[in-house]
Amino acid sequence: GQQVMQIPQYQHVQEGEDFTTYCNSSTTLSNIQWYKQRPGGHPVFLIQLVKSGEVKKQKRLTFQFGEAKKNSSLHITATQTTDVGTYFCAGIGSNYQLIWGAGTKLIIKP
Amino acid sequence: GAGVSQTPSNKVTEKGKYVELRCDPISGHTALYWYRQSLGQGPEFLIYFQGTGAADDSGLPNDRFFAVRPEGSVSTLKIQRTERGDSAVYLCASSLQGELTEAFFGQGTRLTVV
Repeated sequence: GQQVMQIPQYQHVQEGEDFTTYCNSSTTLSNIQWYKQRPGGHPVFLIQLVKSGEVKKQKRLTFQFGEAKKNSSLHITATQTTDVGTYFCAGIGSNYQLIWGAGTKLIIKP
Repeated sequence: GAGVSQTPSNKVTEKGKYVELRCDPISGHTALYWYRQSLGQGPEFLIYFQGTGAADDSGLPNDRFFAVRPEGSVSTLKIQRTERGDSAVYLCASSLQGELTEAFFGQGTRLTVV
């Protein structure tokens, strides 16, 4: 079946360092959504990418959708403690259902 | 309502018992999703409603799981003969039109089967 692989599973960074998570799909996606889940919380929508090669920015967050619409990335510049949480990608596949990645947990080193 | 509401927030039940989990979506949202999330994992799709009908129930793991949305608003996820492996956080989400629009999640119901 369709799968979305997300790496890495965890990323430990010092506050102020950058963070990146990557998603790869086995098939072409019609669009991809990104969500953030704080510890103990529920997923909260961040953004949706639709177009091939699309790049969107939200302050320190940069989202990219690959040319083939099979991969996507989220890059956070100069992480802050408020960025802590798990970031999920979710792609829309051929069955029009969201296919979720396993998430990347951002951990700020003390 | 202002957001997606799920009740109860926590449910502890004995193995073999029946449970019902409730989801109250955002008013006017026609699409409603149920997911299950285990620790350290992404949400696992269970079922998707468009209005009153289940547009896709392919994620329900077996016939012990059933969900309804009789009036196109509130939905109930029903689990019969619960097993310890059913323990997870059950998340409900709603969206205005469906899969191509932003999904708003409730806080979830943490189900523990002992």
